[in-house]
Amino acid sequence: NAGVTQTPKFQVLKTGQSMTLQCAQDMNHEYMSWYRQDPGMGLRLIHYSVGAGITDQGEVPNGYNVSRSTTEDFPLRLLSAAPSQTSVYFCASTAAWGGNEQFFGPGTRLTVL
Amino acid sequence: EDKVVQSPLSLVVHEGDTVTLNCSYEVTNFRSLLWYKQEKKAPTFLFMLTSSGIEKKSGRLSSILDKKELFSILNITATQTGDSAVYLCAVSPGSARQLTFGSGTQLTVLP
Repeated sequence: NAGVTQTPKFQVLKTGQSMTLQCAQDMNHEYMSWYRQDPGMGLRLIHYSVGAGITDQGEVPNGYNVSRSTTEDFPLRLLSAAPSQTSVYFCASTAAWGGNEQFFGPGTRLTVL
Repeated sequence: EDKVVQSPLSLVVHEGDTVTLNCSYEVTNFRSLLWYKQEKKAPTFLFMLTSSGIEKKSGRLSSILDKKELFSILNITATQTGDSAVYLCAVSPGSARQLTFGSGTQLTVLP
C-alpha cells in the first residue's frame, strides 16, 4: 500500500493564480482531511470529508475548495492564491472503524509570491 | 471552541535525560487524545489515549491521560539525539474524526 500520497511536493505560485493540490489514499478510508501548518503553529484543519460526496469546513476554510467524488481522492483547490496561503499542506485519512489515528501524506510546501 | 495547549514550547536536553511534555485541552464531548512526532516531514503517530489513568508505553516513550483534569503527559526516558523533533498533541471530539492540534513542543536532544 502506498498509504496517503500528495502531489506536488513543492509549488511556487504568484498572487492570484489558482491550483489544485492532489491527495489520494489506497486504504479505503472514509475520512479525509486537509491541514495547513505554519511556523510555530500546529496543524489547522481546512476542510474534511466523511465520505464520497460529503465535505465540510474546518477551522480555516476561506480561500479553499474541496470535493470528494471518490473514496480515494480528495483534492484541495486554491481559487486565487494569496501570500497568506504560503504554508505546508498535509492531507490525512482515517478509517471509520476503530480509533482516530490519522495517516498523513508527506506534505506539499506552497509558496505564494 | 476546542483548544489544545502544549508546554513547554521548546526544550533542550542532553542525551540520557528524561523529559516530560505536557498537553492540556478543552474540547466538547471528548473522544480521544493523540500524540504525534514530527521530524521535518509528516507527523507520525505515537499514541492514542481514550481512558484516564491507563498508561500507554512504547519503548522509552510513555503517555497517560487525566480526563478529570483535562491533560496528558508524554514521557521520554534516556533520550537520544534521534528523539529530536516536534511533538504534537491533538484531541478528537465526539464521533468526529477531525483533530484539533496544539502548537507542539520542539525537543532538541544534544549529544
